Amino acid sequence: EIVLTQSPGTLSLSPGERATLSCRASQSVSSSYLAWYQQKPGQAPRLLIYGASSRATGIPDRFSGSGSGTDFTLTISRLEPEDFAVYYCQQYGSSRTFGGGTKVEIK
Amino acid sequence: QVQLQESGPGLVKPSQTLSLTCTVSGGSISSGGYYWSWIRQHPGKGLEWIGYIYYSGSTYYNPSLKSRVTISVDTSKNQFSLKLSSVTAADTAVYYCARELMNQLPNFDYWGQGTLVTVSS
Repeated sequence: EIVLTQSPGTLSLSPGERATLSCRASQSVSSSYLAWYQQKPGQAPRLLIYGASSRATGIPDRFSGSGSGTDFTLTISRLEPEDFAVYYCQQYGSSRTFGGGTKVEIK
Repeated sequence: QVQLQESGPGLVKPSQTLSLTCTVSGGSISSGGYYWSWIRQHPGKGLEWIGYIYYSGSTYYNPSLKSRVTISVDTSKNQFSLKLSSVTAADTAVYYCARELMNQLPNFDYWGQGTLVTVSS
């Protein structure tokens, strides 16, 4: 099973700041098979990024994804108030697994 | 607009079988091109994929749950279902159904709102 480790566990930032979230895989994952989701309290996850770097429909361009192999990154260029949430990476290469999540909280 | 809605008992006794149904609207399960998945989230924790089914009935399960999971599909009702046997308190979670796009860039593009299932006597 491919294990995804996200860091940091919690990111405390202010609106307008840049957020950089990391997702590291225990073995190589095809970039095509790496996605990112946002989850707010009491809601289902929402697809943000698929194929490591493609934004889903309706996702603002302040969200971007990058990476390959075992290291992937989600960047939020300028945090808006609605961006404070938990973010999960997920891989499809071997079964389907999710990372443990990174909580982006207001500083 | 595709919508998914989970339904089923919110309380299940230990050792019994958890049964949930996901009703899909705004699109046909039989149209192909998608896997239909179940995903769960333990309280305050991360996400765990349980398994998926294709409209033809082919399935793929998380190896860690495979011995207890059955996913089935009813294309006439545009529904798919989850059965998880021999449940314990560790199966208490919010259960989501989701649609997975089958292509070179797979992703879970639509999710149900989730339903909390508590395992308790």
